Amino acid sequence: GAGVSQTPSNKVTEKGKYVELRCDPISGHTALYWYRQSLGQGPEFLIYFQGTGAADDSGLPNDRFFAVRPEGSVSTLKIQRTERGDSAVYLCASSLNPLYEQYFGPGTRLTVT
Amino acid sequence: GDSVTQMEGPVTLSEEAFLTINCTYTATGYPSLFWYVQYPGEGLQLLLKATKADDKGSNKGFEATYRKETTSFHLEKGSVQVSDSAVYFCALMNTGNQFYFGTGTSLTVIP
Repeated sequence: GAGVSQTPSNKVTEKGKYVELRCDPISGHTALYWYRQSLGQGPEFLIYFQGTGAADDSGLPNDRFFAVRPEGSVSTLKIQRTERGDSAVYLCASSLNPLYEQYFGPGTRLTVT
Repeated sequence: GDSVTQMEGPVTLSEEAFLTINCTYTATGYPSLFWYVQYPGEGLQLLLKATKADDKGSNKGFEATYRKETTSFHLEKGSVQVSDSAVYFCALMNTGNQFYFGTGTSLTVIP
């Protein structure tokens, strides 16, 4: 079946702009995770959804970052007033439940100029 | 806080050589431990996992044993192939279902 998909694959934006990054998880997966991966680093946890609710958002770096999953499927990561330091690959992963394997999407490469 | 430390790369080996990539962790309680692999141009994939002390995860000839006494989860393979060239990430999931990844180790296997 289809894997986790993320759109766009690349996003270039100017400092101060607002961006939305979308994640389509594997159908039926209730757990959804967002990570940020900077060059030469491992993925850094941002937020985890179980169903529609954010079970843990302790990884969001500040209040410019927000994520939603209104129907328990697709999720959108929203970044306000982007800064150059936000440039990274944003990864989404989903799993059947938190105890099962996470399946990662290909990521969205965000560049803030 | 919880964290994972893994051997820095890059690592370059000849085909059929023995591979070890070291990984140690810091966590309270009893985390689950994972190795993920990222092949060139592809997304992260789970390679193997272990959920309790002394468990051995294995897949595709790779093995790692959960050692609580040394807080380690070293990745090993007896005979690497060119197709094993990739970036390898050690990770833990703590009791709060939070994931922490190491910085990754790049492996290149030359014929």
